[in-house]
Amino acid sequence: GQNIDQPTEMTATEGAIVQINCTYQTSGFNGLFWYQQHAGEAPTFLSYNVLDGLEEKGRFSSFLSRSKGYSYLLLKELQMKDSASYLCAVRRGGSYIPTFGRGTSLIVHP
Amino acid sequence: GAGVSQSPRYKVAKRGQDVALRCDPISGHVSLFWYQQALGQGPEFLTYFQNEAQLDKSGLPSDRFFAERPEGSVSTLKIQRTQQEDSAVYLCASSPNTGGSGNTIYFGEGSWLTVV
Repeated sequence: GQNIDQPTEMTATEGAIVQINCTYQTSGFNGLFWYQQHAGEAPTFLSYNVLDGLEEKGRFSSFLSRSKGYSYLLLKELQMKDSASYLCAVRRGGSYIPTFGRGTSLIVHP
Repeated sequence: GAGVSQSPRYKVAKRGQDVALRCDPISGHVSLFWYQQALGQGPEFLTYFQNEAQLDKSGLPSDRFFAERPEGSVSTLKIQRTQQEDSAVYLCASSPNTGGSGNTIYFGEGSWLTVV
């Protein structure tokens, strides 16, 4: 099976930078996703990493190290609307199906 | 349509009742996924379709759960003889192709099922 671990909750201040970590153990590897989910809404796609390194997309960046089974999502210039759950999901080798972690609830305060 | 559409958005069922949840994926999307999400948890995989073929149903929690996608577009998740532990949000997602590099998977807003 797959084991995906991310912190349950984080808090940060508006305007600051926050890093949300995700560690995983999987047989083979076929990509890692980050999704944002506001309460009562659908998860929305943020990023996809399949090769090692940093992918930058506006205020959000995602990093992957396959050898360490580790990823992080970096959010810069935090805004109140960034308060949401952030879901890490991994596809094992040969599979199309993402397995999700429990999600990290991020609270941004003024 | 513009996105993944699910209906009903909210369903209250009496224990023992059968329910059917519908998913309209984005037009032309080959892959379709069903997930179950309990409050405060991440989505848990239920089943996966590639066109009309159900390639993986390993996540269905019991034989009371059944999913179909007969024409490779709309999908229905059916739960027979609902139990209280079935109360959750049921999320449908679709993707344009079958895997490999960088497919974005798009989620619907979910069907919120409460069994009383």
